[in-house]
Amino acid sequence: DQQVKQNSPSLSVQEGRISILNCDYTNSMFDYFLWYKKYPAEGPTFLISISSIKDKNEDGRFTVFLNKSAKHLSLHIVPSQPGDSAVYFCAATSYGQNFVFGPGTRLSVLP
Amino acid sequence: SQTIHQWPATLVQPVGSPLSLECTVEGTSNPNLYWYRQAAGRGLQLLFYSVGIGQISSEVPQNLSASRPQDRQFILSSKKLLLSDSGFYLCAWSRGTAEAFFGQGTRLTVV
Repeated sequence: DQQVKQNSPSLSVQEGRISILNCDYTNSMFDYFLWYKKYPAEGPTFLISISSIKDKNEDGRFTVFLNKSAKHLSLHIVPSQPGDSAVYFCAATSYGQNFVFGPGTRLSVLP
Repeated sequence: SQTIHQWPATLVQPVGSPLSLECTVEGTSNPNLYWYRQAAGRGLQLLFYSVGIGQISSEVPQNLSASRPQDRQFILSSKKLLLSDSGFYLCAWSRGTAEAFFGQGTRLTVV
């Protein structure tokens, strides 16, 4: 039973446009959500996070939105750059114990 | 600043041989430690996590075990590797209330 879902395995976006990556979760006990970026043969790099008491968190080009009632979060990247091409993982945790990851979305930013 | 070291980076082992992957964290004390595995084309699967020395929680029953002999050392082991143990293994740490930070990973190929 997947507790964190990323239903789009891949996404292609033109350079300079907005990238929107989506994530859904099922466990209402999750209280903290994170996005990671991963290049092949490397460990994931933390990008941005959001607490369940907030609905938006922004850091430069990256913004994460949380809709608790829908159990849905999204990552917006504006403007998208070729260097953003990577696999993006959504993750969730409850009280900072273990981190549950989604299957990832491969983002390709086309020049 | 905190750093996490994981080695080796790549490993090729025959079926039936033992395994030992080591992970150490510097610059923090009493971290939560994690072992994840990423199988080809799939997301990150939590294998083990530890909140303290000698305290190991196993998330998935399998051919692997973990140990935490020191506060900042986490070891992933197997007595006899299977072909299905091939994958990309990642160690991570967290303070228990926020983000998890990952090592560079070990690519294990069982032949």
